[in-house]
Parts: sequence; C-alpha cells; structure tokens
Amino acid sequence: QVQLQESGPGLVRPSETLSLTCTVSGGSISPYYWSWIRQPAGKGLEWIGRIYTSGSTNYNPSLKSRVTMSVDTSKNQFSLKLSSVTAADTAVYYCARDSVHNYSSGWYWYFDLWGRGTLVTVSS
Amino acid sequence: SYELTQPPSVSVSPGQTARITCSGDALPKKYAYWYQQKSGQAPVLVISEDNNRPSGIPERFSGSSSGTMATLTISGAQVEDEADYYCYSTDSSGNHWVFGGGTKLTVL
Repeated sequence: QVQLQESGPGLVRPSETLSLTCTVSGGSISPYYWSWIRQPAGKGLEWIGRIYTSGSTNYNPSLKSRVTMSVDTSKNQFSLKLSSVTAADTAVYYCARDSVHNYSSGWYWYFDLWGRGTLVTVSS
Repeated sequence: SYELTQPPSVSVSPGQTARITCSGDALPKKYAYWYQQKSGQAPVLVISEDNNRPSGIPERFSGSSSGTMATLTISGAQVEDEADYYCYSTDSSGNHWVFGGGTKLTVL
C-alpha cells in the first residue's frame, strides 16, 4: 500500500525559504505526477504545483515566481521550495499523487492519494 | 484568475438529501471532482469526472453537472458525512487548476 509522508521544518522565518520533502513508501515514485497542496488554518485548499518523475513541472500561476519543485527517484522523494515566505504562507502542506487521464475535453489531473499533511508556521 | 464558487454551508437532518453546488464558467466543458475533508484529516476523493464514484465510496454519494454548475448529492445523509466538501476543476485552457472555497456540511 503506497503511503506519502511529508517532512521538514515546522517553523520558518519570514523572508526565508520553506523546504519540504515527501517520501513515497510502499511503491515506486515512477511514473507518476506528484503535487503539493496547502491549507491555511480554517481556510480552503490551494494547489501549489505538480512535478512528473521526469522533472517537468507545472505551478500555480499565483505562486510560480516563488516555487521550485524537484524529484529524486533514487530516494523515492520529491520536494518543495517556497521562497520569500510571509505569515500568509503559514499552512498545513500536503503532498499528493496525481491520477492523470486524457479525455476528449482535455487532460485531467486529480489527487488520488494524500499524505497526512505537515504544519508549517512562518514567524520570527 | 479562474474561480469555483460554493455555498459556505449546508445543513440537513440525518436521512435527508444534501446537495452541494459548485459554479464555474468552464464547467460546461470541464469535469468537476469532489473531495471530502473531515476535521483534522487529509481530503478524500468522493466523486471524479462529474459523476464517477471511486471504489469504497458509499452509493449515497453521487454527482451531476449541468451548464455552469456541478452538484454533489448525498442521498440519505449520515452523521458521519459531516465534513467540508471541495469541488476541484480547471479553467477552459486546462492549465489553471483550482479548488472551490469549500462547503461545510452539517448533519444534525
């Protein structure tokens, strides 16, 4: 049974870079798309971006200038870096696996497997 | 930027039918997906491609889409269905994926 586990610092200083890693266990990281999603306390979900195991990426336009995602297939891990963080970036961060389908109306990605999430607080 | 609009809250009594709507300009041409999120837990997919129910999801969950509105229906809602529900879809280009703002379902 495939499982995802987020890891990384729970506290990040303002203006610094948030770094998280998602470890995939119980199965191979290839050949799938993998996403990061976040959720501020008491608020809704926000998709941050996705990466394919080849390394190709697609980011949320609203975060694109600050986001970098990478993948290490040898470690079955993928990672998120979010630069120049502010208090508004405080949230629970989830990693997830994308299921991809191509229909006549286009390509569709949706999340079929999620990690449990990790809280990242931005504060001095 | 593209937006999906959901009502903030829906309330029903146990055994009643709950309907949660999601409005978006691209929904006539794009599929909607629905996620259930219980307190303190990660979201779970309950409906894909407007009306497909993943394995393990109870039959009381169904989905439909007409025009610019997608609807999640829970027929005979149970107390354990209390959760936040999010729709998820993309704009007409297929490049900008967003969640709706979420709807808190209360069953009591």
